[in-house]
Amino acid sequence: GQQLNQSPQSMFIQEGEDVSMNCTSSSIFNTWLWYKQDPGEGPVLLIALYKAGELTSNGRLTAQFGITRKDSFLNISASIPSDVGIYFCAGPNYGGSQGNLIFGKGTKLSVKP
Amino acid sequence: NAGVTQTPKFQVLKTGQSMTLQCAQDMNHEYMSWYRQDPGMGLRLIHYSVGAGITDQGEVPNGYNVSRSTTEDFPLRLLSAAPSQTSVYFCASSYDQTEETQYFGPGTRLLVL
Repeated sequence: GQQLNQSPQSMFIQEGEDVSMNCTSSSIFNTWLWYKQDPGEGPVLLIALYKAGELTSNGRLTAQFGITRKDSFLNISASIPSDVGIYFCAGPNYGGSQGNLIFGKGTKLSVKP
Repeated sequence: NAGVTQTPKFQVLKTGQSMTLQCAQDMNHEYMSWYRQDPGMGLRLIHYSVGAGITDQGEVPNGYNVSRSTTEDFPLRLLSAAPSQTSVYFCASSYDQTEETQYFGPGTRLLVL
């Protein structure tokens, strides 16, 4: 079935550094979603991508929909302590009912002040 | 709008006990779903509903029941809790099954002893 592989699993960075993470799949996706989960909270949608090659920004966050449709990237510039959390990629589960999402296992980000 | 609300926030059960996790949304969303989150596993879909009176199984439905008698509420029932059901449970909703942007509740942390 469909799977989303995220890397790295975790990152420990210094405040002010830039962050890059990615998500890959063996199958094609027509939509890529990036969520952030703050400690003790539910995931919140950061960016949605709908077109191959699309580059979308949300403040210091930038995400790209890979040309092959099998990958997506999320970059965070000039990280700050509140960027701490788990970042998930997600996409539609084409093997299941419409509306269902599958999620990657997440990239856990820690930021040292 | 309160968005998606979940109760309780924390719960400890003994093996074999039953309980219902409550989920409600005030956004008039048709699509609602339940996920469980385990360390290193990301979010996995338990059950979902595309509208009142309609429910279906997700990736990990065993041991859980759901019903959808109203648009607003989507409770998750554990009939006989097992230690393997120790997890964090998230409810999510979206406008309808064609809308891939899902809004998550704050989660219920369940410990089964």
